[in-house]
Amino acid sequence: QQQVKQSPQSLIVQKGGISIINCAYENTAFDYFPWYQQFPGKGPALLIAIRPDVSEKKEGRFTISFNKSAKQFSLHIMDSQPGDSATYFCAASRGRGSRLTFGEGTQLTVNP
Amino acid sequence: SAVISQKPSRDICQRGTSLTIQCQVDSQVTMMFWYRQQPGQSLTLIATANQGSEATYESGFVIDKFPISRPNLTFSTLTVSNMSPEDSSIYLCSVDWGMSTEAFFGQGTRLTVV
Repeated sequence: QQQVKQSPQSLIVQKGGISIINCAYENTAFDYFPWYQQFPGKGPALLIAIRPDVSEKKEGRFTISFNKSAKQFSLHIMDSQPGDSATYFCAASRGRGSRLTFGEGTQLTVNP
Repeated sequence: SAVISQKPSRDICQRGTSLTIQCQVDSQVTMMFWYRQQPGQSLTLIATANQGSEATYESGFVIDKFPISRPNLTFSTLTVSNMSPEDSSIYLCSVDWGMSTEAFFGQGTRLTVV
């Protein structure tokens, strides 16, 4: 059973636009929610992460919004750039550095 | 962060053979994880490897198919045994230093079984 559901599967955004990727989880024991960025031929790289005691975390152009009651969290990429074109994975775990359960991934394309 | 080196970076193997993937970290780490990423798919955890104990496998993965070694705090291997085309995937090593740190990934090993 997939415990973290991610949407959309693919996303095309114009340069300067906002990219929004959504995830929903089932296991209420999850308490750590990272987002990873993966370029072709590379391993996933941590982008930003949040714990459920806050509703939002912002780092530069990247923002995580977290809704604990709905068991949902989302990644917002402001002022999207062609260099942001990659596959994005949400994930969840019980504690950092623990076994990660990944969403299905979103292939983001930012057109110039 | 950690520098994680995986070898080989890619390989093409005949069905029925085995391949051992190495993961070397530049510092001592508590936990090492092995993930599989099938073509166009997400990452699925295969097993957790702690030094000095048997690896813990996730549902759907067995030791006979994916034996793992963890001889010290900086090194681990994953063997994909008796390979079939369905084993064609990217295999990724991940490390962290315990419950208070982030998980970092190697660049992966792209395996093609023909």
